[in-house]
Amino acid sequence: GIQVEQSPPDLILQEGANSTLRCNFSDSVNNLQWFHQNPWGQLINLFYIPSGTKQNGRLSATTVATERYSLLYISSSQTTDSGVYFCAGTLYNFNKFYFGSGTKLNVKP
Amino acid sequence: EPEVTQTPSHQVTQMGQEVILRCVPISNHLYFYWYRQILGQKVEFLVSFYNNEISEKSEIFDDQFSVERPDGSNFTLKIRSTKLEDSAMYFCASSEATGFTGELFFGEGSRLTVL
Repeated sequence: GIQVEQSPPDLILQEGANSTLRCNFSDSVNNLQWFHQNPWGQLINLFYIPSGTKQNGRLSATTVATERYSLLYISSSQTTDSGVYFCAGTLYNFNKFYFGSGTKLNVKP
Repeated sequence: EPEVTQTPSHQVTQMGQEVILRCVPISNHLYFYWYRQILGQKVEFLVSFYNNEISEKSEIFDDQFSVERPDGSNFTLKIRSTKLEDSAMYFCASSEATGFTGELFFGEGSRLTVL
């Protein structure tokens, strides 16, 4: 399998602040996704991003596949951004995602 | 927007009882999965399913677990004799293409509590 390291493990922000979450992989991944787990436990798809950069509103993500990492940027954070952010990746020819341990984000008003 | 649906949302059972968790994947998806998350921990892969058979399974997915696609829409996870350590959130997921090429979509989860 692969090891997925996420940093930081915990993050406290004041509303309006920006942040960067990082995900490192021990091996080259063929597929990569970012998820937000809300307080009710639901896993919400944020980005499907095997490589390159994508933006969706205040969120953007960049994956540098050759260097085995991905970044999630949150700008102008809101209290509704609170929750746990997971990245997950798969190896080529395998049908399973390996998840990181997550970054727990708390945005305070 | 199409979504993966799961039932029940929460189930409480006694140790040793059988439990069946149900899922309806997105209709045009071909690959189906079960993952689980013990409270406060990372999401772990259990099993993937394609073309009416298991394509991969983890070491967690032992003989107590089974999956089935009984009809054209449902995908089920059965735990034959539940243990305390089976208490977790169980997520069903589906993808249009293989896991290493396609985007994965999760259901809202079924929380299983074993007493």
